[in-house]
Amino acid sequence: AQTVTQSQPEMSVQEAETVTLSCTYDTSESDYYLFWYKQPPSRQMILVIRQEAYKQQNATENRFSVNFQKAAKSFSLKISDSQLGDAAMYFCAYRSAWGSNYKLTFGKGTLLTVNP
Amino acid sequence: KAGVTQTPRYLIKTRGQQVTLSCSPISGHRSVSWYQQTPGQGLQFLFEYFSETQRNKGNFPGRFSGRQFSNSRSEMNVSTLELGDSALYLCASSLAGEDVAGELFFGEGSRLTVL
Repeated sequence: AQTVTQSQPEMSVQEAETVTLSCTYDTSESDYYLFWYKQPPSRQMILVIRQEAYKQQNATENRFSVNFQKAAKSFSLKISDSQLGDAAMYFCAYRSAWGSNYKLTFGKGTLLTVNP
Repeated sequence: KAGVTQTPRYLIKTRGQQVTLSCSPISGHRSVSWYQQTPGQGLQFLFEYFSETQRNKGNFPGRFSGRQFSNSRSEMNVSTLELGDSALYLCASSLAGEDVAGELFFGEGSRLTVL
């Protein structure tokens, strides 16, 4: 079974600064997808960024980028120019690419605080 | 386009009762998944439905069940409620086969409190 570990329960960053959230995962599969989801205090979870394991290039979405190290099974999220609206719980998630499997395995989350 | 809608948003039940939660996916989405979120266990996968068929099931007791209707709307039911069932229940929909990476779109959740 796959597992996802987020070793930082809480992180804080100053507005306009850069912060990196860590995520490691364990799998025996070679093809899979990795996601970062954001859950603001209002609770609705939204996708921040995703990475296909077969792509070597790291995904980027505006101020959000990932550092995907497949051999190390590491998938960190970098938030640049942090904004107050980035404050939320961030979840790293794994999904197998095999079959019709839409099950996500989540990490326990990292609570990000943005200080003005 | 309307997002994923879950009802009710909040509910309080007592031990031994049963509860039914509803989820309306985004129009055109045929896959609906359910997750339980608690402070201790985090987000745990309950089950996933596609075209009225359960495709995947998480490691939960048989008291947890679900179904999907022909219009893709889904319900989940928890019978004989226990205190430990208190949680935020999240529903998520996906385009499924049309979106290979399977991005999930989440609802705001149903907050269940069992007394």
